Amino acid sequence: SAVISQKPSRDICQRGTSLTIQCQVDSQVTMMFWYRQQPGQSLTLIATANQGSEATYESGFVIDKFPISRPNLTFSTLTVSNMSPEDSSIYLCSVEGIGRYGYTFGSGTRLTVV
Amino acid sequence: SQELEQSPQSLIVQEGKNLTINCTSSKTLYGLYWYKQKYGEGLIFLMMLQKGGEEKSHEKITAKLDEKKQQSSLHITASQPSHAGIYLCGADLGRGSTLGRLYFGRGTQLTVWP
Repeated sequence: SAVISQKPSRDICQRGTSLTIQCQVDSQVTMMFWYRQQPGQSLTLIATANQGSEATYESGFVIDKFPISRPNLTFSTLTVSNMSPEDSSIYLCSVEGIGRYGYTFGSGTRLTVV
Repeated sequence: SQELEQSPQSLIVQEGKNLTINCTSSKTLYGLYWYKQKYGEGLIFLMMLQKGGEEKSHEKITAKLDEKKQQSSLHITASQPSHAGIYLCGADLGRGSTLGRLYFGRGTQLTVWP
């Protein structure tokens, strides 16, 4: 299965600032997914990122708040812009697995906004 | 509304005991995934079930998919402290607009005490 390197693993940020989260995959993948996990909640898909096209955002998420880049088939970034305490969550990237390995997730970025 | 309902929300068992976690979907299941998450970390893939009646085992963990009931169960035999964590079920509900999108339950927090 693919191996994903996600960073930073955690950060504490001031409100009003932005944070960019990076995910590097050890193999080429068509689709990458960004999820948010708010405290005590399940994972919610933010957007799907395909190389060479605009990301597709889920209901309730907008590009101005969560801009995504996908410059190649092994890398993607998610930016959390103009942060507020409500953005404090774990953010995870994911790629479709191969065969029996299902979807692989990064180790997550634990964001705290103060 | 929550498309995937997990039960119980939390479970505290003594080491050596068996336990079962359930995941029920309100929609047709096209694939069911089980993950384990340690507090504040990424997701570890456990098993993927795709066919009705399918059952898979890995070490002391067995997962089954009942397609008719739109339900999956995860059973741990002779639990150990290393099994502690949050168990999440994720499902591909086959919505055409976002290929590969997974919907997740809220998770089951498992504590195993010696």
